[in-house]
Amino acid sequence: VLTQSPDTLSLSPGERATLSCRASQIVDSTYLAWYQQKPGRAPRLLIYGASSRATGIPDRFSGSESGTDFTLTISRLETEDFAVYYCQHYRESLMLNFGGGTKVEIK
Amino acid sequence: QVRLQESGPGVVNPSETLSLTCGVLGDFLGMYCWNWLRQPAGGRLEWLGFVCHNDYTYNNPSVKSRITLSRDSSRGQVSLEVRSTTPADTAVYFCARWNVAWRAFDVWGRGTRVTVSS
Repeated sequence: VLTQSPDTLSLSPGERATLSCRASQIVDSTYLAWYQQKPGRAPRLLIYGASSRATGIPDRFSGSESGTDFTLTISRLETEDFAVYYCQHYRESLMLNFGGGTKVEIK
Repeated sequence: QVRLQESGPGVVNPSETLSLTCGVLGDFLGMYCWNWLRQPAGGRLEWLGFVCHNDYTYNNPSVKSRITLSRDSSRGQVSLEVRSTTPADTAVYFCARWNVAWRAFDVWGRGTRVTVSS
């Protein structure tokens, strides 16, 4: 089970956003990904392997891990970054789960 | 660049079978697995399963007995069939490509909305 916090983050453009994804048990970070989703749109892959940026993703997006805690950081929010963010984990036993999401909204 | 386009009936009566297709524009014959996911309104994404280039398929145990995934190489399409539908199957359905190296979904379709209602 992946638990994301907070549910909602209210920030202003230019501020730093820190999103958390906690796994209920130790997981292989190689299989941890982050996605961004805007209303009415498909999710967009941002981060894979917990900390590697997908192709074309700006370097203001970064991922990190500490044990069962994973963090997505947006260093300086831009207007287009206000969206919902999901973490996702895959196990080689063919189990794949998403977190409940964190909404980053304009304050 | 690969593009995915889902299509479906929009509305299905409860207990009927839902059939969706995903057209793959671009590299369909490469060594990929094509996945179906769904998301109820305001809800969490749920992975349903995949069909791979070698026709290997896997269904999420949560829906395993009710769904069938397949692919049609001649048409460059993957399909999802959901049997015995209920209102709980109401969601936006997405197809997505699994990137084996990244262990993540790197290409997504825009999704198709399905409502199960009489």
